[in-house]
Parts: sequence; C-alpha cells; structure tokens
Amino acid sequence: NAGVTQTPKFQVLKTGQSMTLQCAQDMNHEYMSWYRQDPGMGLRLIHYSVGAGITDQGEVPNGYNVSRSTTEDFPLRLLSAAPSQTSVYFCASSSSTSEAFFGQGTRLTVV
Amino acid sequence: EDQVTQSPEALRLQEGESSSLNCSYTVSGLRGLFWYRQDPGKGPEFLFTLYSAGEEKEKERLKATLTKKESFLHITAPKPEDSATYLCAVRENQKVTFGTGTKLQVIP
Repeated sequence: NAGVTQTPKFQVLKTGQSMTLQCAQDMNHEYMSWYRQDPGMGLRLIHYSVGAGITDQGEVPNGYNVSRSTTEDFPLRLLSAAPSQTSVYFCASSSSTSEAFFGQGTRLTVV
Repeated sequence: EDQVTQSPEALRLQEGESSSLNCSYTVSGLRGLFWYRQDPGKGPEFLFTLYSAGEEKEKERLKATLTKKESFLHITAPKPEDSATYLCAVRENQKVTFGTGTKLQVIP
C-alpha cells in the first residue's frame, strides 16, 4: 500500500518549458488536490478534484492545468513555466470523511 | 472568504517547557479541523481531526482542542524530536484550507 506517490521528486525547468507533475494514489479516495508551498505562505490550493472527470480551481490556479480521467491519477500540468512557479508541490488525497494524505512533494526550480 | 490564522509563527522552547499553538478560523460550515506535523523536506503528516466545539484528542505529548472559533495544540513537556512545523487546516465541503504554520524548535 504505497499511499500517495508523486514523481519526480526534483525538477529544474527553463522559463517557457512545459511539464507534468504526476500524482497517483492507491486508497480509492475520491478527493485529490494539488498544493504549492512557499516560504512564509503555507500550503496554497492550486486545483482539486472530487472525482473522476470533475475538477475545480483553488486559490492559485493560474498557469496550471489538471485533469482526472481515473480515480487513481491526478496530474498537474505547467503550460509555460515561469520563475514564479518555483516552489514545492504537494499532492494530497482523501475520502469524504478522512484526513488528507500527502505525497512527499516535488521540488521545482524554474530558471 | 475562508481564513485560517496560526500563531505564533515560530516558537522556541526548552525541553520540558509546555506551551500551546493557536489556530483561529473563519468558515461558514466547518466539516473538520486538522492538525498536521511537517518535517523539513517532507510532506505533512496527519496528527488529529476535530469536528465539533468541545472535542479533544490526545497523542503522546500532544493534545488538540476545538472551540467555535479556534483550536489549540497543547504540547506537554516537549522533547527535541517534537521540533517541526505544525500546520492547521479546515475543511468546508470539499475544500481544505491551510494556515501558514508554527515552526517549533525544542532545545535540549
């Protein structure tokens, strides 16, 4: 039982490049979320999903896209990376009654 | 707009010196208040969930309490291994909003 798995753990991008951060969970949770964590700003919600085919925007959605084609996977796409997107990204999953379980994070640097 | 405010931002304690961390919140329909611990370079680790005012949960040296407007995380006789950032979060429907955390340092 792996929980929430994020890949990659580290990534360096050049400004303007695109990439996808992967997130998978094996707990059959309906809710999945992406957060970014910056010093002094805590965890900020980017996008979330309440089930396959259903996504919604969080607090800081600009520059990111998501889709949820299966219950298990919730990838986060950076369309054209900018230095302001340098951050640590966390994926989380939960059921309607449980706490959120987090992945180990992806540390992204945009140069 | 939902708001979660944690205080203090940082706290330095001597080993054995008990204290409390605060989390105040404003949501229209609370469906759970969560406490997490986060160590450097790692994802948040779940500690407690509280659902209603008056509820209390305990785990080792930690005790979480909840009122209608705030939650406290009490740390009794802390040890150096309790050093971490403690995060508070509230759930309203499907959305979970986090505070900015309290960075706790326990000195031997």
